[in-house]
Amino acid sequence: EVHLVESGGGLVQPGGSLRLSCAASGFSFSSFWMNWVRQAPGKGLEWVANIKQDGSEKNYVDSVKDRFTISRHSAENSLYLQMNSLRAEDTAVYYCGGGPGWSIDWWGQGTPVTVSS
Amino acid sequence: EIVLTQSPGTLSLSPGERATLSCRASQSVGRNYLAWYQQKPGQAPRLLIDDASRRATGIPDRFSGSGSGTDFTLTISGLEPEDFAVYYCQQCASSPLTFGGGTKVEIK
Repeated sequence: EVHLVESGGGLVQPGGSLRLSCAASGFSFSSFWMNWVRQAPGKGLEWVANIKQDGSEKNYVDSVKDRFTISRHSAENSLYLQMNSLRAEDTAVYYCGGGPGWSIDWWGQGTPVTVSS
Repeated sequence: EIVLTQSPGTLSLSPGERATLSCRASQSVGRNYLAWYQQKPGQAPRLLIDDASRRATGIPDRFSGSGSGTDFTLTISGLEPEDFAVYYCQQCASSPLTFGGGTKVEIK
């Protein structure tokens, strides 16, 4: 059974940093694209970033470029999102998800991030 | 960036009725690189359809997807109580990946 578990969310002040983690099990992690998707309170889904199987390609939504970095560690079956220079508008539940292509077949339950003073 | 517009914003229907949800892209999504997701309150999204018309594993056949290019449709042939939720389309053709704003299917 596929299992994705996010961690690392919490309350952070504007301008601060957080590192989100996603632990994967039950599938061949190194074979699939992985993504971060966020959802602000009461709003729709927003794709944030994805990373290719071998880490050689990374894509970001414009609003997080130069602030967020996606990475993966295949030996640990883990996905990460380093978030710097956080803003109030980054407040959301952050989901990790993955699949063989760019659709997201499997999703974690999400970790909440609140950016507030 | 490809913008996806979903309509209607809210669909009020009774159990057993047919639901037709629309997703329109601002430019072609190529070889049908479009997915549909269902999200219930407090839960993560769930993949229903990818490649515009291929049901994901375990998805009942009352869910079907159609369309190509810029116009796509998700049809639920007979609503079950558990189908009342928010539905999102997502284009997987080019980065940045984008989602539509969602259609809420509510009980009438």
